[in-house]
Amino acid sequence: AQTVTQSQPEMSVQEAETVTLSCTYDTSENNYYLFWYKQPPSRQMILVIRQEAYKQQNATENRFSVNFQKAAKSFSLKISDSQLGDTAMYFCAFMIYNQGGKLIFGQGTELSVKP
Amino acid sequence: DADVTQTPRNRITKTGKRIMLECSQTKGHDRMYWYRQDPGLGLRLIYYSFDVKDINKGEISDGYSVSRQAQAKFSLSLESAIPNQTALYFCATTGGHGTEAFFGQGTRLTVV
Repeated sequence: AQTVTQSQPEMSVQEAETVTLSCTYDTSENNYYLFWYKQPPSRQMILVIRQEAYKQQNATENRFSVNFQKAAKSFSLKISDSQLGDTAMYFCAFMIYNQGGKLIFGQGTELSVKP
Repeated sequence: DADVTQTPRNRITKTGKRIMLECSQTKGHDRMYWYRQDPGLGLRLIYYSFDVKDINKGEISDGYSVSRQAQAKFSLSLESAIPNQTALYFCATTGGHGTEAFFGQGTRLTVV
């Protein structure tokens, strides 16, 4: 079975500090894509960052970066200089290449950024 | 305007009623999806479609049906709603392998 596990249901961080959200996944496939989505209280699902499994280099998007460890099947998200607007539910997900674009999601981590 | 629009945004319905959730997209993509979000479970795939003649069941299709009326429109129906179908429902579309999924604003459905 293909699964995604986010072991931290809730986390909090002080504004301007750094926080890391954990994600592990399980698949026997070799070609896939990994994503982090953010869901603020507005409910909108917003793509934060995307990683192609065949790329060894970790993806970065401004204050957001990932630590992708393919052998360990780990895909953590680091948020630097946390801002109040980062308060949201964060979902880790992956998509197997050539399987219809279906996303398999983790349970989510609710992040609170405190002033 | 939003790339993916869902209607209604919120709905309360009674057990046993039929309800349809609608989704339209302006991205021009062929692939469309319906997901269900429950606390502690994340999002799970209900149905997906590659075009009007190609519809596929997802992980949790029991109790649901879908219709792909056009490339841009994909609706989800609950033929006889039950309380454990209370959830947040998302429609999404993607352009191809590994590309970003664009989501609608979600429909909060409550079955009483």
